[in-house]
Amino acid sequence: DAGVIQSPRHEVTEMGQEVTLRCKPISGHDYLFWYRQTMMRGLELLIYFNNNVPIDDSGMPEDRFSAKMPNASFSTLKIQPSEPRDSAVYFCASSPRQGLNTEAFFGQGTRLTVV
Amino acid sequence: KQEVTQIPAALSVPEGENLVLNCSFTDSAIYNLQWFRQDPGKGLTSLLLIQSSQREQTSGRLNASLDKSSGRSTLYIAASQPGDSATYLCAVSLTYKLSFGAGTTVTVRA
Repeated sequence: DAGVIQSPRHEVTEMGQEVTLRCKPISGHDYLFWYRQTMMRGLELLIYFNNNVPIDDSGMPEDRFSAKMPNASFSTLKIQPSEPRDSAVYFCASSPRQGLNTEAFFGQGTRLTVV
Repeated sequence: KQEVTQIPAALSVPEGENLVLNCSFTDSAIYNLQWFRQDPGKGLTSLLLIQSSQREQTSGRLNASLDKSSGRSTLYIAASQPGDSATYLCAVSLTYKLSFGAGTTVTVRA
């Protein structure tokens, strides 16, 4: 398997523009997670899905952020409108199941810069 | 709220020396603990996962221990190499959610 695939790897956009980040999880994994990494706050969970259904979005910072998972092989994280403070690295991760032996596999991340 | 602390924040050692990285967490009711490696500009690579019922896990030169009652884990890397230079993150799992430490940045000098 190619692992978790994210696109784009880098995104530079102007404040106010819409940004869409994409993720393809590992085939057969039931759980998908979106994390954000910044120098100030480290890695934070934004939202996670189980079998394509959003389970917990309490980490989504504002209504400007939204995430969807239309099928088991694709998810998007959208920011509209974007702001400079959204600049960060956004990671997608997937996991086969919950429980004691749940290992999370991360993508390479999307580095977002909002100017 | 689960707090995860990693000390030291940075570490520089000569090649061949053993590395000892520490991780502590405040809530012992965890499912598992996972150690990751992150290279600059890259994603996270899973190194080891220790279930809450286990005391340690080993993979090659890596050994991780877990003392759940005291809220501590230690990652040992034997005979360090320049290729081990990276940031190492520990994360504890409480159901679905991973809580991460800030990481220890390791430099192995040739």
